[in-house]
Amino acid sequence: GAVVSQHPSWVICKSGTSVKIECRSLDFQATTMFWYRQFPKQSLMLMATSNEGSKATYEQGVEKDKFLINHASLTLSTLTVTSAHPEDSSFYICSARGDRGNYEQYFGPGTRLTVT
Amino acid sequence: QQQVKQSPQSLIVQKGGIPIINCAYENTAFDYFPWYQQFPGKGPALLIAIRPDVSEKKEGRFTISFNKSAKQFSLHIMDSQPGDSATYFCAATLQGAQKLVFGQGTRLTINP
Repeated sequence: GAVVSQHPSWVICKSGTSVKIECRSLDFQATTMFWYRQFPKQSLMLMATSNEGSKATYEQGVEKDKFLINHASLTLSTLTVTSAHPEDSSFYICSARGDRGNYEQYFGPGTRLTVT
Repeated sequence: QQQVKQSPQSLIVQKGGIPIINCAYENTAFDYFPWYQQFPGKGPALLIAIRPDVSEKKEGRFTISFNKSAKQFSLHIMDSQPGDSATYFCAATLQGAQKLVFGQGTRLTINP
């Protein structure tokens, strides 16, 4: 149980284009989803927290107009990187927390974004 | 005060040894301390977690030791295997908050 999927697992796009990454909780309802960014050999950096049906809360320094987050249902959140640039190339990971009253976050497998 | 400091940054242990990874925190409001294991190119997976009302928790070969007064906790891996080679992250959650605060990570290598 507690499986989180991400799609796509990797994507290559050209500078200036937009890319959408999906995060789904497969066997539980995710009241809260989180989006992280991870550079090679570094820790996870939280980008934003989203609750179903409400606007995402972005961490300081994260451009909300560049990284659009939508949490339209209890099983789906999307991250859209708009007007991507090479510096946006990174490993993006989502996680989801259910409604069981515990603190556990379940992570997706990640999406490798390369902007050329 | 929101930081979790993790050490060592990297660790090499022979098969069968017991690697120990340490984490320290400042904020006494933290009340949930999970450990995650991450393989290259994959997302982190929850290994084991502890709350501050217990001093030790074991799950299989993984043990968390928790020292509330010292504000430290550590992960021990018994009978380590080459398949345990991965990056390990400790984390902590603020009471009532949603987000995790991660340590810097430890790259563990178990030599055969």
